[in-house]
Amino acid sequence: DSGVTQTPKHLITATGQRVTLRCSPRSGDLSVYWYQQSLDQGLQFLIQYYNGEERAKGNILERFSAQQFPDLHSELNLSSLELGDSALYFCASSVEGLPGANTIYFGEGSWLTVV
Amino acid sequence: QKEVEQDPGPLSVPEGAIVSLNCTYSNSAFQYFMWYRQYSRKGPELLMYTYSSGNKEDGRFTAQVDKSSKYISLFIRDSQPSDSATYLCAMSPEGAQKLVFGQGTRLTINP
Repeated sequence: DSGVTQTPKHLITATGQRVTLRCSPRSGDLSVYWYQQSLDQGLQFLIQYYNGEERAKGNILERFSAQQFPDLHSELNLSSLELGDSALYFCASSVEGLPGANTIYFGEGSWLTVV
Repeated sequence: QKEVEQDPGPLSVPEGAIVSLNCTYSNSAFQYFMWYRQYSRKGPELLMYTYSSGNKEDGRFTAQVDKSSKYISLFIRDSQPSDSATYLCAMSPEGAQKLVFGQGTRLTINP
C-alpha cells in the first residue's frame, strides 16, 4: 500500500458526461500528480500541484481540470467525455515538488470507461 | 520521436533466467533515472532509482545508466514468476517538475 488513496476505483459513464476523480496523497506529501495511462499512449503526465498551487502542466486536455484543496487532497475533473478518454487515471504524491529528486508514490488508479 | 523509447515486448522467459530490460532516451539533460514495476491494473511502484551515471544493485535487481550512450538497463537475476509485471523506465532532468515514462515492457516469467 503506497498510502495514496484514489476513488472511485472503477467508473463507467456515457459520452458527454462529466466525472470527478478524487485523490488523497500520502500523509505529509505536499505535491500531487495526475497521470493518464492508456494502452496506446502509456503513462502520460497530466498536471502537478504543490501545496495548493498548480506547478506543472503536461498533456492535459482543456476539457480536463484539476485542483488541490487546503487539506491537500486533489480532484481531477473530466468533462464532455469521449470514448478516447477511457483509461486508467493515476494520482501520485511526493514530499516536495521535484519528482526526479523525490520518490513519487502512485495510487491504485481510477479505471474510467466511457461508453 | 519520443523522448524515451522502450520496447513494449511482451517478453517471456523461463524461471531462473537473467532478464535484461532497456530504455533509450534523447534528452541529454536527464539526470534522474528510475525503474517502476506495475502489476496488472495496479499503480506503478518504484523499484530502482539512480542519479546520473553508474550502477546500482538491490538484491536480485541491478540498474545501469550509460549517459554517453543515452541508455539505461535493468537486470533481474534468478527471475521468479512473481516478477511477472510491466516494467516502466522513467527519467527526469535536474529541477524538472515531471517524470517522462517509457511505454513499459510486459514481462512474463514462466515456472
